Amino acid sequence: QVQLQESGPGLVKPSQTLSLTCTVSGGSISTGGYYWSWIRQHPGKGLEWIGYIYYSGSTYYNPSLKSRVIISVDTSKNQFSLKLSSVTAADTAVYYCARDRGEVHGSGNLGWFDYWGQGTLVTVSS
Amino acid sequence: DIVMTQSPDSLAVSLGERATINCKSSQSVLYRSNTKNYLAWYQQRPGQPPKLLIYWASTRESGVPDRFSGGGSGTDFTLTISSLQAEDVAVYYCQQYFSTPYTFGQGTKLEIK
Repeated sequence: QVQLQESGPGLVKPSQTLSLTCTVSGGSISTGGYYWSWIRQHPGKGLEWIGYIYYSGSTYYNPSLKSRVIISVDTSKNQFSLKLSSVTAADTAVYYCARDRGEVHGSGNLGWFDYWGQGTLVTVSS
Repeated sequence: DIVMTQSPDSLAVSLGERATINCKSSQSVLYRSNTKNYLAWYQQRPGQPPKLLIYWASTRESGVPDRFSGGGSGTDFTLTISSLQAEDVAVYYCQQYFSTPYTFGQGTKLEIK
């Protein structure tokens, strides 16, 4: 059974960088065939996909956040990470990591999310 | 980006009755080359992460009760719960994966009448 767990600071100051890590257990990120995503949910709101990474390091970011996002992977630790720079109060949300399962199209993936972490609330406030 | 619009925003159904949630995409999510609809459904209970119910518009994820079914094609989709149970109280989301960025519907809140 694959499990994902987010970790990182729950409070970030405006203009600083939000940093979260997702630790995957019960399966190896390096196995291939899956992409690994970050998704966020503003309080009481819907879901927004941030981007994904493959174990090779290949990434795709949502254009709405692309200028501020970096997703990286550490296969030795079976982890992938999110960095979101220049945060504002609008970035306050529950951040989820998830496994993206689907099929490869072109240089990327098109898929759905079959395993999710429990989510971690990140509040941006001074 | 493909815009996903769900209806209704909220729904109250009696226990044992049928619940139907609609999802409409701003453009077709049907790949004609493989005749697959690139659409998934999720259930999110309070305080929990979303749970995958359906992918390819109508394929039930392993372990999901068969009272959940998905239908539709192209731009119009439905999630049906054939006989509502108390544990089905949740918010339901559709998601398109026809193209990146992936996008979700705004959610439909399902309650017991």
